[in-house]
Amino acid sequence: GAVVSQHPSRVICKSGTSVKIECRSLDFQATTMFWYRQFPKQSLMLMATSNEGSKATYEQGVEKDKFLINHASLTLSTLTVTSAHPEDSSFYICSAPILASNEQFFGPGTRLTVL
Amino acid sequence: GQNIDQPTEMTATEGAIVQINCTYQTSGFNGLFWYQQHAGEAPTFLSYNVLDGLEEKGRFSSFLSRSKGYSYLLLKELQMKDSASYLCAVRDEYSNYQLIWGAGTKLIIKP
Repeated sequence: GAVVSQHPSRVICKSGTSVKIECRSLDFQATTMFWYRQFPKQSLMLMATSNEGSKATYEQGVEKDKFLINHASLTLSTLTVTSAHPEDSSFYICSAPILASNEQFFGPGTRLTVL
Repeated sequence: GQNIDQPTEMTATEGAIVQINCTYQTSGFNGLFWYQQHAGEAPTFLSYNVLDGLEEKGRFSSFLSRSKGYSYLLLKELQMKDSASYLCAVRDEYSNYQLIWGAGTKLIIKP
């Protein structure tokens, strides 16, 4: 099946710093990628839809200036958490659909801990 | 509004059969998905239903009734490794690939 990678898998940072998370589709092109956040024992919460060549679409309540998304190519989307605070600590997961398929392929996730 | 309901937690015995239900109320419908998620890992795809009926894939089967807004995931011959959360998600026809997620059902398998 298709593969989506995420880097880093785990990051610990100090409050106030910025963290960049990369999501790559390894063997297919993804014009669209989704960024999710998941708090412990809760379901996935869609943060934004990343579109190659255009601006990301953010869900209600998600600050676009805090969560910067750049879909630089057909295989790479990045999420930058700017000026991270402890409440931003969460599991961040990206996914990419294959247009000819009904599946969405998920990256392995990034565990962010802000001290 | 958009709403997907599934039980919070279920317990079953190794070797047995378990059925996880999901009911949905969405503005549009373009398919229902089941995903498995182990703790600390990303979800993995299990099944997709867009037409009414049963889809069987090995030990796992998924059923859909669009008129009732209802689906279930059936797991047979349960194994300890099946202990995980099972997420029901609906694709809204008005937002091509976006999925609306249920809160997930944590399945605990006991020996």
